Amino acid sequence: NAGVTQTPKFQVLKTGQSMTLQCAQDMNHEYMSWYRQDPGMGLRLIHYSVGAGITDQGEVPNGYNVSRSTTEDFPLRLLSAAPSQTSVYFCASSYARNEKLFFGSGTQLSVL
Amino acid sequence: AQSVTQPDIHITVSEGASLELRCNYSYGATPYLFWYVQSPGQGLQLLLKYFSGDTLVQGIKGFEAEFKRSQSSFNLRKPSVQWSDAAEYFCAVGVSNKIIFGKGTRLHILP
Repeated sequence: NAGVTQTPKFQVLKTGQSMTLQCAQDMNHEYMSWYRQDPGMGLRLIHYSVGAGITDQGEVPNGYNVSRSTTEDFPLRLLSAAPSQTSVYFCASSYARNEKLFFGSGTQLSVL
Repeated sequence: AQSVTQPDIHITVSEGASLELRCNYSYGATPYLFWYVQSPGQGLQLLLKYFSGDTLVQGIKGFEAEFKRSQSSFNLRKPSVQWSDAAEYFCAVGVSNKIIFGKGTRLHILP
């Protein structure tokens, strides 16, 4: 059972480049979310989804886009990367809102 | 403003000593409350969760937490810490489809 799979694990971008962080879960979870983790800041919610076709903004959505075309996948897009987006990104899922979150292993992103 | 506050950035305790990590929240209604732990190489793991019922909640690894409505607090406790408990601990609240995390408390264990 793979759980929550994030790719890539590491990525280096130049300012202005775009990229997509992939997240997939095989647990048929309805709820998926993206967080970024920065030292001293905890985990901050970027975007979340309560089901296929439904997404909403979290605490720090600026500079990021998401879509949820299937239950399994919840990609996070950076349209024009900025150094302030250097962070560790975690995807998480749960079978319903306000239930236990299952986390991916994270993506370490550096924007130069 | 709505928030989750963990007042202690770092806490150091001796192995075998008791532990209490503090968490306060400021939301209108009683939210869902969680404690997660992040250990190197083990990712983020749920320790326990509270929504209603008994205000003392038992979790994994010998942890417990007590919800106090009057203080808007959900403090995590363990009677005797082990070396393996050294990690970062996050309090989180679930409200309006969102799970919001505090900034975390780093726990250091002295041998």
